[in-house]
Amino acid sequence: DTAVSQTPKYLVTQMGNDKSIKCEQNLGHDTMYWYKQDSKKFLKIMFSYNNKELIINETVPNRFSPKSPDKAHLNLHINSLELGDSAVYFCASSHIQGSRELFFGEGSRLTVL
Amino acid sequence: AQSVSQHNHHVILSEAASLELGCNYSYGGTVNLFWYVQYPGQHLQLLLKYFSGDPLVKGIKGFEAEFIKSKFSFNLRKPSVQWSDTAEYFCAVTPHTDKLIFGTGTRLQVFP
Repeated sequence: DTAVSQTPKYLVTQMGNDKSIKCEQNLGHDTMYWYKQDSKKFLKIMFSYNNKELIINETVPNRFSPKSPDKAHLNLHINSLELGDSAVYFCASSHIQGSRELFFGEGSRLTVL
Repeated sequence: AQSVSQHNHHVILSEAASLELGCNYSYGGTVNLFWYVQYPGQHLQLLLKYFSGDPLVKGIKGFEAEFIKSKFSFNLRKPSVQWSDTAEYFCAVTPHTDKLIFGTGTRLQVFP
């Protein structure tokens, strides 16, 4: 059983399109995250939700809209995709209290043509 | 600005060589510290973590890290690397009540 699962793993699309990436965790964590990893492997946090409430929103274009229907799911919708959105997007989860050790999904590689 | 620095961007070693990867952070107060590893084409996995207590932390696969509070450092070490250790290594810090911040990563290549 995969602890943090993301779909799709690969996504190739044209500029201007809208796409979504889904994430689910079965670890019972109360907090979920989206990280973006660029071509240089730099990891940057984008969003964090705790019990369906947004708690971290870094400087991300408003074309990116996270949605958390429940604490086990955090989806990422991207409107009007741009070339610079090409990256690997990682979902992660943790408990907000304690160590905050993150458990990561396998990543979703987005390529915008 | 508060940050996590990994000064070694790319390290190349032969098998059986010793490894030390540097990590420094600039947050004051209490922090939790982590090292994550990302094997080629895979997701991040936890190598080891420090919350409190013994500053020398043992992780998986023979890795260890030492927290030196006075130097704001949490360097990763392994006495003898293997080809299978080829990966990207990320130091990360959680200042209490804040988010996990990653360093820029160190790419390790181990040649047989």
